[in-house]
Amino acid sequence: AQKVTQAQTEISVVEKEDVTLDCVYETRDTTYYLFWYKQPPSGELVFLIRRNSFDEQNEISGRYSWNFQKSTSSFNFTITASQVVDSAVYFCALSEYSGGGADGLTFGKGTHLIIQP
Amino acid sequence: DAGVIQSPRHEVTEMGQEVTLRCKPISGHNSLFWYRQTMMRGLELLIYFNNNVPIDDSGMPEDRFSAKMPNASFSTLKIQPSEPRDSAVYFCASIPTPGDFLAYNEQFFGPGTRLTVL
Repeated sequence: AQKVTQAQTEISVVEKEDVTLDCVYETRDTTYYLFWYKQPPSGELVFLIRRNSFDEQNEISGRYSWNFQKSTSSFNFTITASQVVDSAVYFCALSEYSGGGADGLTFGKGTHLIIQP
Repeated sequence: DAGVIQSPRHEVTEMGQEVTLRCKPISGHNSLFWYRQTMMRGLELLIYFNNNVPIDDSGMPEDRFSAKMPNASFSTLKIQPSEPRDSAVYFCASIPTPGDFLAYNEQFFGPGTRLTVL
């Protein structure tokens, strides 16, 4: 069975601080995908990144960066120089690939990130 | 592009009533997913379809829930009879069925339907 754990329920930092959101996953499959989604107060789910299980390269997109380490089954997300607009709930998710296509997403419980001005 | 369309956006009903939620996936997308979000359980997969065929409905909570996809451009999630514990935000998502492992990108989510059962 697959599982995603986001141990940090809520994080509060002051604007311009760096913050890292942790994600640990469990799966028996060798082919899978990992995702991060953002849910702002308005409620929609905004896609941030996707990684497949063979691509361990870290990625940077502006102030956002992701660290995928299969050895520790982790896919952590770092926001550099945080801004108030980054305040949201962030979800890590896992999807296994079953040959005929991708399965549904298994989400973590989410981390509520609060950026104080 | 229109994105995934869900209707209604908000639904308030009384316990015992039938509720039907609707989803129109992005044109050309072959896979459709229904999720439910609650404070207690978070985001959970209810059911998904590939090419209009239900693949995995193990997340459907009980027989009161049913989902259909009569064609590639429309899906419904029905709750009958509804109960207060069904109150949640229901999301629909779609993807173009990936031809190979490397082709998969993201699930495109609709705006959600907020259901309140009194």
